[in-house]
Amino acid sequence: AQKVTQAQTEISVVEKEDVTLDCVYETRDTTYYLFWYKQPPSGELVFLIRRNSFDEQNEISGRYSWNFQKSTSSFNFTITASQVVDSAVYFCALSEAKNDYKLSFGAGTTVTVRA
Amino acid sequence: ETGVTQTPRHLVMGMTNKKSLKCEQHLGHNAMYWYKQSAKKPLELMFVYSLEERVENNSVPSRFSPECPNSSHLFLHLHTLQPEDSALYLCASRPDRASVEKLFFGSGTQLSVL
Repeated sequence: AQKVTQAQTEISVVEKEDVTLDCVYETRDTTYYLFWYKQPPSGELVFLIRRNSFDEQNEISGRYSWNFQKSTSSFNFTITASQVVDSAVYFCALSEAKNDYKLSFGAGTTVTVRA
Repeated sequence: ETGVTQTPRHLVMGMTNKKSLKCEQHLGHNAMYWYKQSAKKPLELMFVYSLEERVENNSVPSRFSPECPNSSHLFLHLHTLQPEDSALYLCASRPDRASVEKLFFGSGTQLSVL
């Protein structure tokens, strides 16, 4: 069974601080995909990144960076120099090749960035 | 704007009412999803349709009844709901059911059952 755990329920930071969101996953499949989504107050989840299980390269996109480590089954997300607009709920998700239609989500981490 | 539209945005209903949630996408996607989002809990997958055929019914109570008349529209019919069914109901679509594809989400319907 696939499972995603986001242990941090809420994180509050002051603008310009860095914030790291943890994501730990469980799967028995050797081929799988990991995702991060952002849910602003408007409600719709917005796709941020996808990684496949064969690509452990870390990725940076502007102020966002992701650290994928298969050895610890983690896919952590860091926001550098946070801004108020980063305030949202962030979800980590897992999709297995063997359960092709199923995308399982963690409980989400609420990030509040204070000015 | 993700291209997935849900109506209504908010819905308040009594336990004896019947109502429907609507989802529409014109992205040419072939797979559509219903998720339930409750506070502090992971998103719960409810139903999945691929090419208008239901491929997942994740032990959802029969008071929730999905309908997918074509690949662009998805409905969730509600009847005799319970207060614990109050939640944000999210619709999503993807090009096909393949696990590599990302989901495109609507803004959700915030449902309150009194």
